[in-house]
Amino acid sequence: QVQLLQSGAEVKKPGASVKVSCKASGYPFTSYYMHWVRQAPGQGLEWMGIIYPSDGSTTYAQKLQGRVTMTRDTSTSTVYMELSSLRSEDTAVYYCARDRASGWGAFDIWGQGTMVTVSS
Amino acid sequence: EIVLTQSPGTLSLSPGERATLSCRASQSVSSSYLAWYQQKPGQAPRLLIYGASSRATGIPDRFSGSGSGTDFSLTISRLEPEDFAVYYCQQYGSSPRTFGQGTKVEIK
Repeated sequence: QVQLLQSGAEVKKPGASVKVSCKASGYPFTSYYMHWVRQAPGQGLEWMGIIYPSDGSTTYAQKLQGRVTMTRDTSTSTVYMELSSLRSEDTAVYYCARDRASGWGAFDIWGQGTMVTVSS
Repeated sequence: EIVLTQSPGTLSLSPGERATLSCRASQSVSSSYLAWYQQKPGQAPRLLIYGASSRATGIPDRFSGSGSGTDFSLTISRLEPEDFAVYYCQQYGSSPRTFGQGTKVEIK
């Protein structure tokens, strides 16, 4: 079945970087755009950016420009999200989510989430 | 960016009752690129509605969406116990994609 499997929880110190993975299965990996969304504890959903696995092209939320990098490995059907210069406000659950329609669609499949805690 | 405002913040209802959730956009949402998601505690969001009114795969027909332009709504015709959750609207017609702040549907 179609699913996205994310890497496990991370604890990082302020100023460090974190890299979260999202492995896709059950569908043609390079045919669907992938988004990253985060959710701080008790808060709403925040869109972080999008990657097209076919060519690796990306668009990032302006707020995170310069700190976020999204990449992919087509040999393992995995996308990655790396966030640098971590601060306490980056503590959140990070989700990957598949775009159902060529980059301008709703998010039809979600990973289970990865908790990232930033604490000294 | 398009700001989405959901109302009410919390809706207290009993099983079997009808729920109507509102989502208002700060500017017109292109091509009705408006989605609704359900999120339960400790779980990822689940897509319910896309294109303002189309149900996603496997979503029961008690869920329906309507609206266009700047005003959208999600209706749950008869609440089942598993429907008590937080609901988010999202616009995906322009970048950045944005979400509303959520409406919690709780058991009265």
